[in-house]
Amino acid sequence: AQKVTQAQTEISVVEKEDVTLDCVYETRDTTYYLFWYKQPPSGELVFLIRRNSFDEQNEISGRYSWNFQKSTSSFNFTITASQVVDSAVYFCALIPYNAGGTSYGKLTFGQGTILTVHP
Amino acid sequence: GAVVSQHPSRVICKSGTSVKIECRSLDFQATTMFWYRQFPKQSLMLMATSNEGSKATYEQGVEKDKFLINHASLTLSTLTVTSAHPEDSSFYICSSQRAGNNEQFFGPGTRLTVL
Repeated sequence: AQKVTQAQTEISVVEKEDVTLDCVYETRDTTYYLFWYKQPPSGELVFLIRRNSFDEQNEISGRYSWNFQKSTSSFNFTITASQVVDSAVYFCALIPYNAGGTSYGKLTFGQGTILTVHP
Repeated sequence: GAVVSQHPSRVICKSGTSVKIECRSLDFQATTMFWYRQFPKQSLMLMATSNEGSKATYEQGVEKDKFLINHASLTLSTLTVTSAHPEDSSFYICSSQRAGNNEQFFGPGTRLTVL
């Protein structure tokens, strides 16, 4: 079974600060996908990124960056120069996939981190 | 592409009534659909997985007779909460997955309030 842990329940920052959201996972599978989702107050899940377990390259997309370290089973998410619109709940998630590349089992979510960015 | 809709977005009902929530994949065929429940300030918990034309697979602890799932076509799945009670009040989210694709596309969610 998989487990995803987001130890930070709530984070509060002031606009323009950088903030890192932590995600640690446990799985016995050797191949899996990791995800980050944003859930604004409206409730709709917004897909941010998917990372393959074989791809440990860090990724940057605008103000967002992700640091995947398989050695520590972590997939952390950093927002640079945070903005009020970044206020939301952020979820990290994991799903394994088989040799054929098809995911199986269930998408396991972390507990979520509530990020509040104050003006 | 990959748009998933849910209807209704919000529903308020009296205790004891049944409520049906629809999940539609608008621009692709979804061989698999998932139903999640999210209580306030909690994470998403998978309730059941449904494949088109077959019975849904429920997660442990989810009553299949209370949460009826029908996936009769490749674009539509429905979740019916039968004899709803206040403790069923929650945010219900569906997701759809194409055959051979590893990504789930999420609907906007349905907020159910049972009085």
